Amino acid sequence: EDQVTQSPEALRLQEGESSSLNCSYTVSGLRGLFWYRQDPGKGPEFLFTLYSAGEEKEKERLKATLTKKESFLHITAPKPEDSATYLCAVLSGNTGKLIFGQGTTLQVKP
Amino acid sequence: NAGVTQTPKFRVLKTGQSMTLLCAQDMNHEYMYWYRQDPGMGLRLIHYSVGEGTTAKGEVPDGYNVSRLKKQNFLLGLESAAPSQTSVYFCASIRTPGQGTQYFGPGTRLLVL
Repeated sequence: EDQVTQSPEALRLQEGESSSLNCSYTVSGLRGLFWYRQDPGKGPEFLFTLYSAGEEKEKERLKATLTKKESFLHITAPKPEDSATYLCAVLSGNTGKLIFGQGTTLQVKP
Repeated sequence: NAGVTQTPKFRVLKTGQSMTLLCAQDMNHEYMYWYRQDPGMGLRLIHYSVGEGTTAKGEVPDGYNVSRLKKQNFLLGLESAAPSQTSVYFCASIRTPGQGTQYFGPGTRLLVL
């Protein structure tokens, strides 16, 4: 069964304090692992797609990495505006399903 | 290029009433998805479609039906609304696996009394 688990559920950081969010997955025929940012009252905003183990992508203070079992979203020197819920999802090549994890809510304090 | 749009943005229904939510995309995407988002539950897949004329069940399909008669539109129907269907509904689309950018609509807030 396709499944995505994110940890931690919530994370509080001081501005400038780097950390990582985890996304563990099981999926039949991975055709992409997606990261999104969601602000309250809005739809998810696409950040990255990763396709194969060893792949890395970066955008400003965010860096996403992928292994065969999990993905990490590294946040370097975060700022208060990085506060949001970060969602991970996997696309099954066998079924076409796009399954989400529960998300990690990040709060960055000045 | 409007991306993904959802209609309506907000709706109040009485228990037992029916309604249809419309998702439209102008990007020629093959794959389309309907999710519901409830507090503490994340995004749960209701139904999805991998191409015009195809639909499949997701994680929480009961009480919902869908149709994809045209490639650009994906309709979500509630035949007899229940209070448990109070939620925020999001539609999403992607061109095909391997063509990575995915787009979400702005969401539809549904309240069932």
